[in-house]
Amino acid sequence: EDKVVQSPLSLVVHEGDTVTLNCSYEVTNFRSLLWYKQEKKAPTFLFMLTSSGIEKKSGRLSSILDKKELFSILNITATQTGDSAIYLCAENLGADGLTFGKGTHLIIQP
Amino acid sequence: NAGVTQTPKFQVLKTGQSMTLQCAQDMNHNSMYWYRQDPGMGLRLIYYSASEGTTDKGEVPNGYNVSRLNKREFSLRLESAAPSQTSVYFCASSELGSVKNIQYFGAGTRLSVL
Repeated sequence: EDKVVQSPLSLVVHEGDTVTLNCSYEVTNFRSLLWYKQEKKAPTFLFMLTSSGIEKKSGRLSSILDKKELFSILNITATQTGDSAIYLCAENLGADGLTFGKGTHLIIQP
Repeated sequence: NAGVTQTPKFQVLKTGQSMTLQCAQDMNHNSMYWYRQDPGMGLRLIYYSASEGTTDKGEVPNGYNVSRLNKREFSLRLESAAPSQTSVYFCASSELGSVKNIQYFGAGTRLSVL
């Protein structure tokens, strides 16, 4: 059974739309949760969220974690074609590394 | 600003051949990781090295071996390649902390086993 579950697995929207990507996780000595963006090559780091619940923002992207309901969301406002990518969510397992969800494949149509 | 460097970028093998994927990082990180990525499967951990001198199995270690050569380098070896090992392989490194485990990834190696 997957420990990190992302939804939807794929999403197609038009430029200018707002999207919300979801990630649920299991609590096994929770440390942090990370979001990555993967275009054609390596995943690149976006945000790290802890149980403090503090929202993280970077331009049109923002993310928050709900430690009670065990999920996180990644919001992208005023989407652009350059936002097209796979968005990965991962739970930090400490010394055992990260466990990733399957990712959300986001396509932004002009 | 090299970060994490993987070689080669592409490789085609025949079933039964062996090869080693190389990974080096210049960020002075203690921890290094090898993942494979298959369509619809996300990133799955093969092996990791929490610190120099240690290695541990991840989720999908069968068919692979690793060597933490020094603090900078972590190699992944396929002793007898199988078609099921066709995948994209990523190496990553991090400065492991209790809360922070931000991993930085190399550009990947696309491997095809015929």
